[in-house]
Amino acid sequence: EVQLLESGGGLVQPGGSLRLSCAASGFTFSNYAMSWVRQAPGKGLEWVSGISGGASGTYYADSVKGRFTISRDNSKNTLYLQMNSLRAEDTAFYYCAKKWSGGDSCGFDYWGQGTLLTVSS
Amino acid sequence: EIVLTQSPATLSLSPGERATLSCRASQSVSSYLAWYQQKPGQSPRLLIYDASNRATGIPARFSGSGSGTDFTLTISSLEPDDFAVYYCQQRSNSMYTFGQGTKLEIK
Repeated sequence: EVQLLESGGGLVQPGGSLRLSCAASGFTFSNYAMSWVRQAPGKGLEWVSGISGGASGTYYADSVKGRFTISRDNSKNTLYLQMNSLRAEDTAFYYCAKKWSGGDSCGFDYWGQGTLLTVSS
Repeated sequence: EIVLTQSPATLSLSPGERATLSCRASQSVSSYLAWYQQKPGQSPRLLIYDASNRATGIPARFSGSGSGTDFTLTISSLEPDDFAVYYCQQRSNSMYTFGQGTKLEIK
């Protein structure tokens, strides 16, 4: 059974940093691209960042470019999101999500339960 | 950045009726479009990938169509469990955007 379990959320002051983790199990982690998607309370979905299976490619939404860094440790089946220079508008539930296919396609077939980041003084 | 515009914002229908949700892209995304269902307090659920392919375990009443810039999600006969928010998502150059969502509510 595929499982994605995020952790690391919490309350951070503006300008602060935090690292999110996503522990994956039930599939060959290194074969799949992964992404972080966020959702502010009561709002829609926003793709934040993605990384290829072998970590050779990383991608970011304009809203987080230069502040967030995605990475993965395939030996630990874990995805990370390092978030720096946090702003109030980064407050959201953060989900990790697995791309459904290793090939050229669109769709995330498994999502974690989400971890809440609150940026506030 | 490719912008996805979903319409309508809210759709009010009764169980048994047919639902048609639209997603329009600001430029062509070929067939790289997915649809998701999200219920309150839950993570999104993949319904359709690559415009027209049902994900594993998705009932046949859900279907997707379209290519290029115009896409449609159709629910042929609404079940009570189908009332939720639906999002479309596109992929371009390994980057993604989501539409703003359509809320499907019980009339």
